[in-house]
Amino acid sequence: LAKTTQPISMDSYEGQEVNITCSHNNIATNDYITWYQQFPSQGPRFIIQGYKTKVTNEVASLFIPADRKSSTLSLPRVSLSDTAVYYCLVVPAYSGAGSYQLTFGKGTKLSVIP
Amino acid sequence: DAGVIQSPRHEVTEMGQEVTLRCKPISGHDYLFWYRQTMMRGLELLIYFNNNVPIDDSGMPEDRFSAKMPNASFSTLKIQPSEPRDSAVYFCASRLQGAAEAFFGQGTRLTVV
Repeated sequence: LAKTTQPISMDSYEGQEVNITCSHNNIATNDYITWYQQFPSQGPRFIIQGYKTKVTNEVASLFIPADRKSSTLSLPRVSLSDTAVYYCLVVPAYSGAGSYQLTFGKGTKLSVIP
Repeated sequence: DAGVIQSPRHEVTEMGQEVTLRCKPISGHDYLFWYRQTMMRGLELLIYFNNNVPIDDSGMPEDRFSAKMPNASFSTLKIQPSEPRDSAVYFCASRLQGAAEAFFGQGTRLTVV
């Protein structure tokens, strides 16, 4: 499994755009990049997944350069309720025989300041 | 669907006692994961099942931990005997094969005194 590296923590003011970058130098050809969000006292929640270029949904955007060795999660105009831990995961495409890993790193603790 | 359901939400037990955590995955999901979360170690994958079969249990810390999935709608994680260092939040998650998203339960906060 490709190892991921992301900042331990980030602070941002309300209303700003926040970009969290994740490095995954050893990503394999069939791997996808997936981000989860975890609020205190709750389980992680899926935000977005991408393979290359740009993916956008109602919560965030995910930017992936051509070499796919890194990715950036972009949260537009954050509010206090976006304070959470954000995890970047490299997830293998289904390879058969029941094999599928979902391994979390330390994540990035985002604190949104009023 | 009500999502992944875990019980109990909180458990306080004395050292040496047996503890059983329960999980009901989302109906139709093929994968079930058990995680443990602590401040020191973060979110650790303990074991996961595919179609009720354990695929990888390399994250299970010791023989005191065991997990079963007798059918597609139920799984248990048992700790026997429990120790204070087992205190953590235990999460269960399920996923549909081929889907991007895994769904997590609300977790069980275990305290061993």
